[in-house]
Amino acid sequence: AQSVTQLDSQVPVFEEAPVELRCNYSSSVSVYLFWYVQYPNQGLQLLLKYLSGSTLVKGINGFEAEFNKSQTSFHLRKPSVHISDTAEYFCAVSLEYGNKLVFGAGTILRVKS
Amino acid sequence: AAGVIQSPRHLIKEKRETATLKCYPIPRHDTVYWYQQGPGQDPQFLISFYEKMQSDKGSIPDRFSAQQFSDYHSELNMSSLELGDSALYFCASSLDRVQDEQFFGPGTRLTVL
Repeated sequence: AQSVTQLDSQVPVFEEAPVELRCNYSSSVSVYLFWYVQYPNQGLQLLLKYLSGSTLVKGINGFEAEFNKSQTSFHLRKPSVHISDTAEYFCAVSLEYGNKLVFGAGTILRVKS
Repeated sequence: AAGVIQSPRHLIKEKRETATLKCYPIPRHDTVYWYQQGPGQDPQFLISFYEKMQSDKGSIPDRFSAQQFSDYHSELNMSSLELGDSALYFCASSLDRVQDEQFFGPGTRLTVL
C-alpha cells in the first residue's frame, strides 16, 4: 500500500521569503502525486499535480513542485510567500488518476509579516 | 463555475443517533468520493461511486452506508453515532474517474455529543 509522509507539521516563514514544504511517499508501483491547500473552514483545493512527463510541475498561486523518483519525493516550493498563503497543505498520492487519494498528515504554513 | 455542494454544512447529533450527509456533485460529474477528516488529522478515504455503483471502499465503519442516486447525488448515512465520528466529512466529484481531478466540496462538520 502507498503512504505519504509530510516531514514538517508546521512551517513558520516571513512574508516574501521562500518556502519549501516536504513530502515523501512510498509505493511499490508508480503513483500520481498531488498537492492540495485547505484554508480554514474550507474544502480542499488542488494546487498542482504530477501525472507524467516533466518532473517540475507548476501550479496555481505561484507554487511549483518537483518530482524526484529516486528520492521518492515531491516537495512543494514558492519563491516568495504572502500572508494569504497561510493555510494547511496536504500532499497526496493515488495509484490511478481519479482513484482514491491517500493524504499525508498535512503541513501548516504560517506566514508572518 | 458550479462547485460541489454539501449539506448540511454543520450537524450536531447525540450519541447513538443517526445522521445523513448529502453531496451534490458538479453537473455532469459521474464519480463521487467521500472522505473523513478527524480533528487535526489528514482526510481518510471512505467510499466512492461511479455511475451509481460502488467503485472502491476504504476504512468505512459498518455503521455507515452510502449510495449514489440516479441524478448522481450521493448520501452518506451514519447510524449509532459515536463520539469518534465527530469530523469533517468531504465529498469530492470527478467527471471521469480515470481522466479528471477530484473537486472537493466545503465539507460537513459533524459533531457528536
